[in-house]
Amino acid sequence: KAGVTQTPRYLIKTRGQQVTLSCSPISGHRSVSWYQQTPGQGLQFLFEYFSETQRNKGNFPGRFSGRQFSNSRSEMNVSTLELGDSALYLCASSPGTGNTEAFFGQGTRLTVV
Amino acid sequence: AQSVTQLGSHVSVSEGALVLLRCNYSSSVPPYLFWYVQYPNQGLQLLLKYTTGATLVKGINGFEAEFKKSETSFHLTKPSAHMSDAAEYFCAVSGTTSGTYKYIFGTGTRLKVLA
Repeated sequence: KAGVTQTPRYLIKTRGQQVTLSCSPISGHRSVSWYQQTPGQGLQFLFEYFSETQRNKGNFPGRFSGRQFSNSRSEMNVSTLELGDSALYLCASSPGTGNTEAFFGQGTRLTVV
Repeated sequence: AQSVTQLGSHVSVSEGALVLLRCNYSSSVPPYLFWYVQYPNQGLQLLLKYTTGATLVKGINGFEAEFKKSETSFHLTKPSAHMSDAAEYFCAVSGTTSGTYKYIFGTGTRLKVLA
């Protein structure tokens, strides 16, 4: 069974640009969550999508957005990039119901210059 | 509201020694608790989880943790450290609302294993 796939693994963008990150969850999983990991702030919850609907949202500005497709694949978008957006972005996949854990992808390392 | 506190951002142990990584949580609802491990430039791998039932939870790679409600703790232990255990460890809590996968993570503990 394939794990959680995040693409790309590494990305370099310039301030002011926008970026789209992709996450393919484990087959059969309907929930995808996104986290930002930085040395200063640690792991912070961005949002969760379940069956194409945002079910939960963290405390991030509106520049951070996401969506989920009918096949459960998810994308997150960051517009008007700032230097502080440089981080490891992790996607987590889970069935979406019941008491099961989330499975994480290897992450996308975004560097904003 | 939920929160997690991991005591000690860096812990060093000798190979073969006991590993003890501390985690205390705060939750207004019965918590689900997790320990994840992260190797450099990798995602998070689940070590173990507590949802309900037995308070002593056994995980992978010889790790275990005990849920102590009275102490609001979920400390991670391993009897004998191995060099391959060197990594960063995260404790996380989530609420028992069905299907909610919003994890609150601790700040992490970096484990160093000395030869």
